[in-house]
Amino acid sequence: AQSVTQLDSQVPVFEEAPVELRCNYSSSVSVYLFWYVQYPNQGLQLLLKYLSGSTLVKGINGFEAEFNKSQTSFHLRKPSVHISDTAEYFCAVSRLGNEKLTFGTGTRLTIIP
Amino acid sequence: DARVTQTPRHKVTEMGQEVTMRCQPILGHNTVFWYRQTMMQGLELLAYFRNRAPLDDSGMPKDRFSAEMPDATLATLKIQPSEPRDSAVYFCASGIGTPRAGELFFGEGSRLTVL
Repeated sequence: AQSVTQLDSQVPVFEEAPVELRCNYSSSVSVYLFWYVQYPNQGLQLLLKYLSGSTLVKGINGFEAEFNKSQTSFHLRKPSVHISDTAEYFCAVSRLGNEKLTFGTGTRLTIIP
Repeated sequence: DARVTQTPRHKVTEMGQEVTMRCQPILGHNTVFWYRQTMMQGLELLAYFRNRAPLDDSGMPKDRFSAEMPDATLATLKIQPSEPRDSAVYFCASGIGTPRAGELFFGEGSRLTVL
């Protein structure tokens, strides 16, 4: 079975500062990795995904993530955050070719003006 | 703008009552998922369908929960009888499956409160 650990439940960041949200996964087989964002009172929205190929993947809203197989990590980064980035961010994993996603517990990103 | 539609958005009911939540997936999507979100457990997969066939409902309490897809435009999640511990936000999501497995489109959720 696959699992995902998001080490930080809450991350406060000043506006225009960089941010990194951490995600580590565990799996005995190859996986796909995803980051989803949930704005208040809304459903989840796909930010970016890693399926194969380049380990640095770019997503919407200026976010990017790097897949590191040796460290089993898929950390999410943004060089300069905006107030509108305030949301909860979920890392997710699925077994290669499998449609089921397993989500982490989420990281609440708060932007401080 | 294609989107997953869920009804009701909010539901308050009393313990023991039946609750039915409905989901209209995006036209052309052949996979449908039901997730439950709570503060304590986070996002839990309850059930999922491919081409209307149930593939996995291992996350669902079988004695009180049931999920169906009567047709390609409607998925339902029913709780009977409801209990206070069922209070949560229930999300429906749809996708086109492989080769875009994992790329899901979520509805806005149905917030259920069981008193």
